[in-house]
Amino acid sequence: EVQLVESGGGLVQPGGSLRLSCAASGFTFSSYWMSWVRQAPGKGLEWVANIKQDGSEKYYVDSVKGRFTISRDNAKNSLYLQMNSLRAEDTAVYYCASFGTALASPFDYWGQGTLVTVSS
Amino acid sequence: SYVLTQPPSVSVAPGKTARITCGGNNIGSKSVHWYQQKPGQAPVLVIYYDSDRPSGIPERFSGSNSGNTATLTISRVEAGDEADYYCQVWDSSSDHQDVFGTGTKVTVL
Repeated sequence: EVQLVESGGGLVQPGGSLRLSCAASGFTFSSYWMSWVRQAPGKGLEWVANIKQDGSEKYYVDSVKGRFTISRDNAKNSLYLQMNSLRAEDTAVYYCASFGTALASPFDYWGQGTLVTVSS
Repeated sequence: SYVLTQPPSVSVAPGKTARITCGGNNIGSKSVHWYQQKPGQAPVLVIYYDSDRPSGIPERFSGSNSGNTATLTISRVEAGDEADYYCQVWDSSSDHQDVFGTGTKVTVL
């Protein structure tokens, strides 16, 4: 059974940093692109970042470029999101998702999400 | 950046058909995926590559994509179909970014 379990969320002050983790199991993690998708309270889904199987390609939504960094450790079956210079508008549930072996694939498996709250 | 527009809400009686549209410039040239999200839960893929259905998703869910509109159709709607639905595409022209639609709340009357 595929499992994606996020952790690392919490309350952080504006301008602060947070590192999210996603532990994957039940599939060959190193064979799949991975993503972070977020959802602000009461709002829709917003794609945040993608990373290729070997980490050689990374893509970000414009609003987080230069502030967030996606990374992965295939030996640990883990995905990460380093979030710096956090803003109130980054407050959201952050989901880890797998999306297949190529760009344009669907997000086929999702974690349950971890809540990040940016507030003073 | 690429924009996907969905109606905010769709209401449908049990047993009837719900159609949810997703509008985007020449979306027919892209692959569209659809997700169902119930309150407090993670999204679930219900249609991928315009019209394919993952295992475990009822045949009542179907999809189409042409021109500037993609459509998710739910036939013989059940109370359990009440949820938010999102379309999604990958836009190769805007620095390889994925885009979600604005979302549609389906209410079963």
